[in-house]
Amino acid sequence: DIQMTQSPSTLSASVGDRVSITCRASQSVSTWLAWYHQKPGKAPKLLISKASSLESGVPSRFSGSGSGTEFTLTISSLQPDDFATYYCQQYKTYSPGMFGQGTKVEIK
Amino acid sequence: EVQLLESGGALVQPGGSLRLSCVASGFTFSTYAMSWVRQAPGKGLEWVSTFIGSGDTTYYADSVMGRFTISRDNSKNTLFLQMDSLKVEDTAIYYCAKEKGYAVPPYSFDNWGQGTLVTVSS
Repeated sequence: DIQMTQSPSTLSASVGDRVSITCRASQSVSTWLAWYHQKPGKAPKLLISKASSLESGVPSRFSGSGSGTEFTLTISSLQPDDFATYYCQQYKTYSPGMFGQGTKVEIK
Repeated sequence: EVQLLESGGALVQPGGSLRLSCVASGFTFSTYAMSWVRQAPGKGLEWVSTFIGSGDTTYYADSVMGRFTISRDNSKNTLFLQMDSLKVEDTAIYYCAKEKGYAVPPYSFDNWGQGTLVTVSS
């Protein structure tokens, strides 16, 4: 099974900061990698597919990069609406560890 | 507009059964793979099961294999999850999720329901 590991688990930042979250796969997933964010009490929302393809309606301050086993989600200028938990997901295969454990972005 | 509406969550005793439903609208339901993803209280997301849009291909996480059964009724645009032999560790919000593509799954999940809470406790 492919396992996904995110770092850091928690990230403290201020509005306007540039922040990055890393996701590592236990084996290559090519670019079959998605990013989501989730706010308390809400369902996850898809931000990026295919490692770097921004979903329609998602602000351009979000960007994704990487391939193989290492991926990065970057928010160029953190906004109040961006404080949430972020998850990466590999979709090369169905496996219990499809999702990373999450990164909580909190206000510094 | 795509909408996914789950129902069926409840409080159930260990060893009990429950059937979750997810009614879909706003897209050609039969074309897309549909999945259940769960989230235990205060924890991360865990993929549970997927039913491919065409044919009868299904996938399960090891943790639910043999206890849960995913099915779908394309005539009613509805996805189901039959949950038997429930354990305390199955306690979670269960989300129904639509996959983004339909050619050769898996894909990312581009639409999610609001979730339904399953609590397994004596």
